[in-house]
Amino acid sequence: DAGVTQSPTHLIKTRGQHVTLRCSPISGHKSVSWYQQVLGQGPQFIFQYYEKEERGRGNFPDRFSARQFPNYSSELNVNALLLGDSALYLCASSRGQGSYGYTFGSGTRLTVV
Amino acid sequence: EDQVTQSPEALRLQEGESSSLNCSYTVSGLRGLFWYRQDPGKGPEFLFTLYSAGEEKEKERLKATLTKKESFLHITAPKPEDSATYLCAAYNNAGNMLTFGGGTRLMVKP
Repeated sequence: DAGVTQSPTHLIKTRGQHVTLRCSPISGHKSVSWYQQVLGQGPQFIFQYYEKEERGRGNFPDRFSARQFPNYSSELNVNALLLGDSALYLCASSRGQGSYGYTFGSGTRLTVV
Repeated sequence: EDQVTQSPEALRLQEGESSSLNCSYTVSGLRGLFWYRQDPGKGPEFLFTLYSAGEEKEKERLKATLTKKESFLHITAPKPEDSATYLCAAYNNAGNMLTFGGGTRLMVKP
């Protein structure tokens, strides 16, 4: 079975631009979570989506938004990019909300210049 | 607010030199404590989940233990291929997020 798939793998954007990151969960998994990992730190929770609804949000500004589609894939959008948004963005899927089994993708490395 | 703290931040071992990594947590209603391994530029790879104090789990040279305030990842006779960042994360009653520690970067020299 395919694991969690994220695209693109690497991305370079300019300050002020907008970016969209994509995630396809493991087949049968209905929950997708997004995490931001700044170099040298642990991942920080951004969002959780389950059955196309937002079920949790971390301490991130409104420039960050996400959605989940009927096929359970998900997009993370970031507007008005700042240099500090440079990070590895990780997607994790699980069977359902409250499910313990999180599987992470390899991430999207975003560099803002 | 849930908090997870890992120590040391970095650890250098000689091949075969056993050691332990620490994960201290303050979580309202812990439902699970996770250990992950992360290689550079990759996503975290699941190692263990511990659910209650006193629980232990083993996998090859790794053994994870849990108390009411801490978890330890013991590495016995490590090899260079064990070099990675080890992350612990807590899962609370709200059930919608993992709270991660900052990680321990382990380097094992041959």
